Amino acid sequence: EIVLTQSPATLSLSPGERATLSCRASQSVSKYLTWYQQHPGQPPRLLIYDASTRATGISARFSGSGSGTDFTLTINSLEPEDFAVYYCQQRVDWPLSFGGGTKVEIK
Amino acid sequence: EVQLVESGGGLVKPGESLTLSCTASGFTFNIAWMSWVRQSPGKGLEWVGRIKSNYDGGTTHYAVPLDGRFTISRDDSKNTVYLDINRLTTEDTAMYYCTRSQCGPGCPGLNWFDAWGQGAQVTVSS
Repeated sequence: EIVLTQSPATLSLSPGERATLSCRASQSVSKYLTWYQQHPGQPPRLLIYDASTRATGISARFSGSGSGTDFTLTINSLEPEDFAVYYCQQRVDWPLSFGGGTKVEIK
Repeated sequence: EVQLVESGGGLVKPGESLTLSCTASGFTFNIAWMSWVRQSPGKGLEWVGRIKSNYDGGTTHYAVPLDGRFTISRDDSKNTVYLDINRLTTEDTAMYYCTRSQCGPGCPGLNWFDAWGQGAQVTVSS
């Protein structure tokens, strides 16, 4: 099973700041890395697939980069609605697996 | 608008069985691949399994550690996908999400999930 390790576990930032979230895979996942956002009490929402392609309707504040084993989700100029938990997910091998999440909280 | 609505969750005893349903609207269900993903506080997000469209063979794939207790099926006439869970244990306590699965043109790689239901809570307790 491919293990995804997200860091940091918690990121404390102020609105307007930039968030940089990391996802590291235990083996190469090529470009097949997806990012989701989840607010409390809500299901996850697709943000980015294939490492860098924004899903429909997702703000350009969100950008993804990386390939192989190291990936980054960047959120420019944090808005109040961006404070949430973010998960990565790989789709290169069974079983499909998720990272443990990074919580972006208001400082 | 794409909508996925789960039902069938609740409180069950260990060893019992349960069927979750997910009714879809707002897209062409009979060509969609569908998955179930569960989330518990202790284990985070965990993919359960996927079913292809009948057009693509209707085959299923499951997370191996689930010990064959999970079965996904679909009824395209009802725009519904099902998750049967047998011999429930306390470890199965989770929110179960129905999702639509995508893999892109030509389907390189496996799936990401571009639409999620609100979830069905399953609690296993004696």
